[in-house]
This record gives sequence, C-alpha cells and structure tokens, in this order.
Amino acid sequence: GEDVEQSLFLSVREGDSSVINCTYTDSSSTYLYWYKQEPGAGLQLLTYIFSNMDMKQDQRLTVLLNKKDKHLSLRIADTQTGDSAIYFCAEMNTGGFKTIFGAGTRLFVKA
Amino acid sequence: EADIYQTPRYLVIGTGKKITLECSQTMGHDKMYWYQQDPGMELHLIHYSYGVNSTEKGDLSSESTVSRIRTEHFPLTLESARPSHTSQYLCASSEGGTQETQYFGPGTRLLVL
Repeated sequence: GEDVEQSLFLSVREGDSSVINCTYTDSSSTYLYWYKQEPGAGLQLLTYIFSNMDMKQDQRLTVLLNKKDKHLSLRIADTQTGDSAIYFCAEMNTGGFKTIFGAGTRLFVKA
Repeated sequence: EADIYQTPRYLVIGTGKKITLECSQTMGHDKMYWYQQDPGMELHLIHYSYGVNSTEKGDLSSESTVSRIRTEHFPLTLESARPSHTSQYLCASSEGGTQETQYFGPGTRLLVL
C-alpha cells in the first residue's frame, strides 16, 4: 500500500538552513504537501507541489521534488526558533480519495 | 483563514461515559475527516466522509462512530469511553477536487480516567 516516510528528528541552530526529507511509494501521487503542527494545535498547510513540478519556492521555503526517486524535501532558510514544530509530509493519490501522511519530523531550533 | 472548529478543546471523563466530540466547518466543504493522534506522534485516519449521509471507516480501527447529517457538521461519538481512548482527536475538511488541501481544527485532547 501507499507509504510516506520521514526521519523523526532534526536539530539545527538558529540562522542555519533546515532540510526535511520525505520519501513516498505511490508513483501516481498528484499533489505532495508539507504541513506544520505547533504544540497543542492542529496541522496547518505550509505549501504543496504538483507532481509535474521540480521545485517551488515561497519566501523562506523551498520544496524540491524528485519524482524518479519519489523524494520530496522542504528547505527552510534562516531557520528561526518559531519554526520549531512537527512537519508532516503528505501525498494525495490520483483518485483523490485520501491523503497519506508521514509520521512527522520534529524540528528543534537551538538559539 | 480556515474556519473549522472543534469542541471541547479538552475533556477529562470517567470510564464508561458516552461522549461526543463536535466538529463544524463554515467553508461548505464536502469532505471531512477525523484523525487520532497521540501527542507528538503520527496521524491515524479513523473516519471520513464525502458528503451528507456518507461515512467511511479509516485506516485505524476505532470504536467510535460518526454521522454526517449536515454538510457543516461531523460529530464523533464514543458510546463507552475507556482509558485506551485517551488521545488527541483532530478534525479536518477539504473542498474536494484536484487539489485536496486539508484544513484542520485545533483538536480535542481527551483523557479518560
């Protein structure tokens, strides 16, 4: 079945770049997403990329998609302490029936 | 900004009680979802709905039930709460169509004693 995998933890220093990686198995994925969850809150969409794109940039966020390797990454430039959160990678299949979420990457930003 | 609400935000209740977790959205979204998430852990889809009178079980088996009588409302009910039901419950909705951004509510933290 479909699966989305992420590393569980990432620790960076304030001001450095963070790169959060994700791999997925469904080659028919049409949209891939990054969601952010702060403590005690629901998930909030950060950005998404359509499967025919290689890259998408939005201010400090850069999403890279390698469809051949089924690899998605989120780069956060100039990481701030406010970026500390859990980041979920997700994919939607062509049927659009459901979105598959990864287990989330816990980003710790050290001052 | 997403308009999806969950009540209560926090609930502490004794074993055996019946509880209903409320979820409402004002965006007119057809699709709605319930996820169970232990603190800081992955999401597990327990129920979803494509529209009024449509409900389906998700990937994780759950003793809860849901109903969808109105588009904007998707309550989740536990007939007899148990300590194993202690978790966070997240409700979400999406518009339906080619791009399925899900909008999440703030969650209900449930503690069953």
